[in-house]
Amino acid sequence: EIVLTQSPGTLSLSPGERVTLSCRASQSVSSSYLAWYQQKPGQAPRLLISGASSRATGIPDRFSGSGSGTDFTLTISRLEPEDFAVYYCQQYGSSPETFGQGTKVEIK
Amino acid sequence: EVQLVESGGGLVQPGGSLRLSCAASGFTFSSYWMHWVRQAPGKGLVWVSRINSDGSSTSYADSVKGRFTISRDNAKNTLYLQMNSLRAEDTAVYYCALPWHYWGQGTLVTVSS
Repeated sequence: EIVLTQSPGTLSLSPGERVTLSCRASQSVSSSYLAWYQQKPGQAPRLLISGASSRATGIPDRFSGSGSGTDFTLTISRLEPEDFAVYYCQQYGSSPETFGQGTKVEIK
Repeated sequence: EVQLVESGGGLVQPGGSLRLSCAASGFTFSSYWMHWVRQAPGKGLVWVSRINSDGSSTSYADSVKGRFTISRDNAKNTLYLQMNSLRAEDTAVYYCALPWHYWGQGTLVTVSS
Protein backbone atom coordinates (compact mmCIF):
# COMPACT_ATOMS: atom_id res chain seq x y z
CA GLU A 1 0.00 0.00 0.00
CA ILE A 2 1.27 3.45 -0.93
CA VAL A 3 1.31 5.78 2.07
CA LEU A 4 0.85 9.48 1.31
CA THR A 5 2.23 12.00 3.80
CA GLN A 6 1.03 15.60 3.54
CA SER A 7 2.80 18.56 5.05
CA PRO A 8 2.30 20.75 6.86
CA GLY A 9 -0.68 19.62 8.91
CA THR A 10 -2.04 23.14 9.27
CA LEU A 11 -1.24 26.45 7.60
CA SER A 12 -2.38 29.80 9.00
CA LEU A 13 -2.40 32.37 6.22
CA SER A 14 -3.99 35.59 5.07
CA PRO A 15 -5.98 36.19 1.89
CA GLY A 16 -3.70 37.08 -1.00
CA GLU A 17 -0.82 34.90 0.16
CA ARG A 18 0.75 32.13 -1.92
CA VAL A 19 0.33 28.58 -0.64
CA THR A 20 2.41 25.48 -1.30
CA LEU A 21 1.18 22.12 -0.04
CA SER A 22 3.30 18.97 -0.16
CA CYS A 23 2.36 15.34 -0.68
CA ARG A 24 5.07 12.70 -0.44
CA ALA A 25 4.48 9.05 -1.40
CA SER A 26 6.15 6.02 0.17
CA GLN A 27 6.79 4.64 -3.33
CA SER A 28 6.50 5.94 -6.84
CA VAL A 29 2.98 6.84 -7.96
CA SER A 30 2.16 5.06 -11.20
CA SER A 31 1.83 7.32 -14.25
CA SER A 32 1.38 10.36 -12.02
CA TYR A 33 -2.07 9.15 -10.99
CA LEU A 34 -2.15 11.76 -8.26
CA ALA A 35 -5.17 13.93 -7.43
CA TRP A 36 -5.81 16.87 -5.13
CA TYR A 37 -9.13 17.65 -3.46
CA GLN A 38 -10.57 20.53 -1.49
CA GLN A 39 -13.08 19.84 1.26
CA LYS A 40 -15.12 22.29 3.28
CA PRO A 41 -17.10 21.38 6.43
CA GLY A 42 -20.22 19.39 5.68
CA GLN A 43 -19.38 19.05 2.00
CA ALA A 44 -18.10 16.26 -0.21
CA PRO A 45 -14.55 16.51 -1.54
CA ARG A 46 -14.16 18.59 -4.67
CA LEU A 47 -11.63 17.47 -7.28
CA LEU A 48 -9.10 20.18 -8.06
CA ILE A 49 -6.29 18.40 -9.90
CA SER A 50 -5.91 15.00 -11.53
CA GLY A 51 -2.94 13.40 -13.25
CA ALA A 52 -0.72 15.45 -10.92
CA SER A 53 -1.14 18.68 -12.93
CA SER A 54 -4.43 18.79 -14.86
CA ARG A 55 -7.02 21.16 -13.45
CA ALA A 56 -10.52 19.78 -13.23
CA THR A 57 -13.36 21.51 -15.05
CA GLY A 58 -14.26 24.84 -13.51
CA ILE A 59 -11.25 25.06 -11.21
CA PRO A 60 -9.67 28.53 -11.19
CA ASP A 61 -6.18 28.83 -12.63
CA ARG A 62 -4.80 30.03 -9.29
CA PHE A 63 -4.69 26.31 -8.44
CA SER A 64 -1.82 24.34 -9.96
CA GLY A 65 -0.31 20.92 -9.38
CA SER A 66 3.14 19.59 -10.09
CA GLY A 67 5.45 16.72 -9.34
CA SER A 68 6.12 13.13 -10.26
CA GLY A 69 7.40 9.93 -8.75
CA THR A 70 7.12 10.39 -5.00
CA ASP A 71 6.94 14.17 -4.56
CA PHE A 72 3.93 16.28 -5.48
CA THR A 73 2.86 19.86 -4.81
CA LEU A 74 -0.36 21.83 -4.89
CA THR A 75 0.11 25.57 -5.24
CA ILE A 76 -2.50 28.27 -4.77
CA SER A 77 -1.02 31.38 -6.29
CA ARG A 78 -3.12 33.87 -4.35
CA LEU A 79 -5.46 32.78 -1.56
CA GLU A 80 -9.09 33.84 -1.90
CA PRO A 81 -11.48 33.79 1.10
CA GLU A 82 -13.26 30.74 -0.32
CA ASP A 83 -9.99 28.74 -0.43
CA PHE A 84 -9.80 28.23 3.32
CA ALA A 85 -10.48 24.50 3.63
CA VAL A 86 -8.83 21.11 4.03
CA TYR A 87 -6.83 19.74 1.10
CA TYR A 88 -6.19 16.06 0.42
CA CYS A 89 -3.95 14.28 -2.02
CA GLN A 90 -4.86 10.84 -3.38
CA GLN A 91 -3.06 8.26 -5.46
CA TYR A 92 -5.20 6.15 -7.76
CA GLY A 93 -2.52 4.34 -9.73
CA SER A 94 -2.36 1.27 -7.56
CA SER A 95 -4.77 -0.58 -5.31
CA PRO A 96 -5.72 0.26 -2.68
CA GLU A 97 -6.28 3.82 -3.68
CA THR A 98 -4.98 5.90 -0.75
CA PHE A 99 -5.37 9.43 0.57
CA GLY A 100 -3.06 11.69 2.50
CA GLN A 101 -4.13 12.79 5.97
CA GLY A 102 -4.95 16.30 4.80
CA THR A 103 -3.63 19.84 5.21
CA LYS A 104 -5.88 22.46 6.77
CA VAL A 105 -5.51 25.98 5.40
CA GLU A 106 -6.96 28.36 7.96
CA ILE A 107 -7.35 32.09 8.20
CA LYS A 108 -4.59 33.80 10.15
CA GLU B 1 -25.66 16.70 -15.19
CA VAL B 2 -24.02 13.92 -13.22
CA GLN B 3 -25.77 13.17 -9.95
CA LEU B 4 -24.91 10.64 -7.25
CA VAL B 5 -27.34 10.35 -4.36
CA GLU B 6 -26.55 8.09 -1.42
CA SER B 7 -29.14 6.72 0.97
CA GLY B 8 -29.54 4.02 3.60
CA GLY B 9 -27.42 5.40 6.40
CA GLY B 10 -28.55 5.55 9.99
CA LEU B 11 -27.97 4.33 13.52
CA VAL B 12 -27.21 0.63 13.94
CA GLN B 13 -26.01 -1.45 16.87
CA PRO B 14 -22.59 -3.12 16.86
CA GLY B 15 -22.82 -6.39 14.98
CA GLY B 16 -25.72 -5.15 12.89
CA SER B 17 -26.12 -4.65 9.16
CA LEU B 18 -26.99 -1.85 6.77
CA ARG B 19 -27.23 -1.55 3.00
CA LEU B 20 -26.24 1.71 1.40
CA SER B 21 -27.45 2.73 -2.03
CA CYS B 22 -26.12 5.26 -4.50
CA ALA B 23 -28.52 6.31 -7.26
CA ALA B 24 -26.68 7.53 -10.34
CA SER B 25 -27.92 9.72 -13.18
CA GLY B 26 -26.60 11.95 -15.94
CA PHE B 27 -24.08 9.47 -17.33
CA THR B 28 -23.88 5.94 -18.71
CA PHE B 29 -23.64 4.15 -15.37
CA SER B 30 -22.93 0.74 -16.88
CA SER B 31 -19.72 1.99 -18.48
CA TYR B 32 -17.89 3.11 -15.35
CA TRP B 33 -16.14 1.65 -12.35
CA MET B 34 -17.52 2.99 -9.08
CA HIS B 35 -16.07 3.44 -5.60
CA TRP B 36 -17.08 3.90 -1.97
CA VAL B 37 -15.02 6.19 0.26
CA ARG B 38 -15.69 6.93 3.91
CA GLN B 39 -14.80 9.65 6.38
CA ALA B 40 -15.04 9.21 10.14
CA PRO B 41 -16.14 12.30 12.09
CA GLY B 42 -13.32 14.84 12.10
CA LYS B 43 -10.99 12.50 10.23
CA GLY B 44 -9.64 12.07 6.71
CA LEU B 45 -10.83 10.24 3.64
CA VAL B 46 -10.43 6.46 3.43
CA TRP B 47 -11.06 4.33 0.35
CA VAL B 48 -13.42 1.43 1.08
CA SER B 49 -14.24 -0.52 -2.06
CA ARG B 50 -14.56 -0.46 -5.84
CA ILE B 51 -16.39 -2.40 -8.52
CA ASN B 52 -15.81 -2.63 -12.23
CA SER B 53 -18.38 -1.65 -14.83
CA ASP B 54 -20.17 -4.99 -15.15
CA GLY B 55 -19.81 -6.03 -11.52
CA SER B 56 -17.51 -8.97 -12.21
CA SER B 57 -14.53 -7.59 -10.28
CA THR B 58 -14.43 -6.05 -6.81
CA SER B 59 -11.81 -4.89 -4.34
CA TYR B 60 -11.91 -3.95 -0.66
CA ALA B 61 -9.87 -2.23 1.99
CA ASP B 62 -8.42 -4.71 4.48
CA SER B 63 -10.47 -3.09 7.26
CA VAL B 64 -13.78 -4.14 5.66
CA LYS B 65 -12.82 -7.28 3.75
CA GLY B 66 -15.13 -10.16 4.58
CA ARG B 67 -17.74 -7.86 6.16
CA PHE B 68 -18.71 -5.47 3.34
CA THR B 69 -19.92 -6.35 -0.16
CA ILE B 70 -20.08 -3.93 -3.05
CA SER B 71 -22.49 -4.59 -5.90
CA ARG B 72 -24.36 -2.79 -8.64
CA ASP B 73 -27.54 -3.01 -10.67
CA ASN B 74 -26.85 -1.47 -14.04
CA ALA B 75 -30.51 -1.74 -15.04
CA LYS B 76 -31.41 0.47 -12.07
CA ASN B 77 -28.32 2.71 -12.28
CA THR B 78 -27.62 1.97 -8.63
CA LEU B 79 -24.53 1.09 -6.62
CA TYR B 80 -24.77 -0.73 -3.30
CA LEU B 81 -22.68 -1.39 -0.23
CA GLN B 82 -23.88 -4.18 2.02
CA MET B 83 -22.30 -3.74 5.43
CA ASN B 84 -22.41 -6.61 7.92
CA SER B 85 -20.86 -7.17 11.37
CA LEU B 86 -20.63 -3.43 11.86
CA ARG B 87 -18.22 -2.02 14.41
CA ALA B 88 -17.96 1.32 16.16
CA GLU B 89 -14.97 2.16 13.96
CA ASP B 90 -17.19 1.89 10.86
CA THR B 91 -18.96 5.08 11.98
CA ALA B 92 -18.47 7.54 9.13
CA VAL B 93 -19.98 9.44 6.26
CA TYR B 94 -19.97 7.11 3.26
CA TYR B 95 -19.54 8.64 -0.19
CA CYS B 96 -19.99 6.99 -3.56
CA ALA B 97 -17.72 8.32 -6.28
CA LEU B 98 -17.47 8.23 -10.03
CA PRO B 99 -13.73 8.27 -10.21
CA TRP B 100 -12.76 10.83 -9.43
CA HIS B 101 -14.57 13.91 -10.67
CA TYR B 102 -17.96 13.26 -9.11
CA TRP B 103 -18.95 12.45 -5.54
CA GLY B 104 -22.29 12.11 -3.82
CA GLN B 105 -23.23 14.18 -0.79
CA GLY B 106 -22.64 11.24 1.54
CA THR B 107 -24.76 9.27 3.99
CA LEU B 108 -23.93 9.00 7.69
CA VAL B 109 -23.60 5.59 9.31
CA THR B 110 -23.42 5.54 13.10
CA VAL B 111 -22.60 2.28 14.87
CA SER B 112 -23.44 2.55 18.54
CA SER B 113 -25.38 0.81 21.27
